[in-house]
Amino acid sequence: DGGITQSPKYLFRKEGQNVTLSCEQNLNHDAMYWYRQDPGQGLRLIYYSQIVNDFQKGDIAEGYSVSREKKESFPLTVTSAQKNPTAFYLCASRSLADNSYEQYFGPGTRLTVT
Amino acid sequence: QQPVQSPQAVILREGEDAVINCSSSKALYSVHWYRQKHGEAPVFLMILLKGGEQKGHEKISASFNEKKQQSSLYLTASQLSYSGTYFCGTELWGGADGLTFGKGTHLIIQP
Repeated sequence: DGGITQSPKYLFRKEGQNVTLSCEQNLNHDAMYWYRQDPGQGLRLIYYSQIVNDFQKGDIAEGYSVSREKKESFPLTVTSAQKNPTAFYLCASRSLADNSYEQYFGPGTRLTVT
Repeated sequence: QQPVQSPQAVILREGEDAVINCSSSKALYSVHWYRQKHGEAPVFLMILLKGGEQKGHEKISASFNEKKQQSSLYLTASQLSYSGTYFCGTELWGGADGLTFGKGTHLIIQP
């Protein structure tokens, strides 16, 4: 089955540690995205990538880093510089083909930093 | 700029109808609608594009008023499974550089 996988589902870290969240898709989608969701809030864009080896900052990129070495993979690193890292992190992807506009989400990773 | 959704919350009885609105102060290229159940990922419902094109699930109805930069999602004959939080996500142009989401509308369907 085609889809987007994120692992792990729950992640716990101590303050001051960097942590990397995995996102893999087998939909052959060109573009991939990372969003953050806080309780009672909408989703906010962290980073996105439309092509391998290239990525762009979103609205809240500070304290985060990404890489796009393969089309299928777009890992997100939450660094110790991120002041409030506890949140629900969602990865998404979409095709850039003509007439293809839908953006699909992975199941998410809930990160708790104490 | 973040779109504004209204109402913030709705409580319905099964079988009743609801309308959820999403407004932007800027000219939009597209509006995307999602439903999210607690603790789960948002599920794509529909996209409406500037110029009138729409793509989405057959049972979902929505409109996009380009003059007002407002989209409305129509939920008719609601079922218990419709419960959740509905989000609209907007694009100002078709560059696929991510969506800007509203804060969501909580919908509770009671039997």
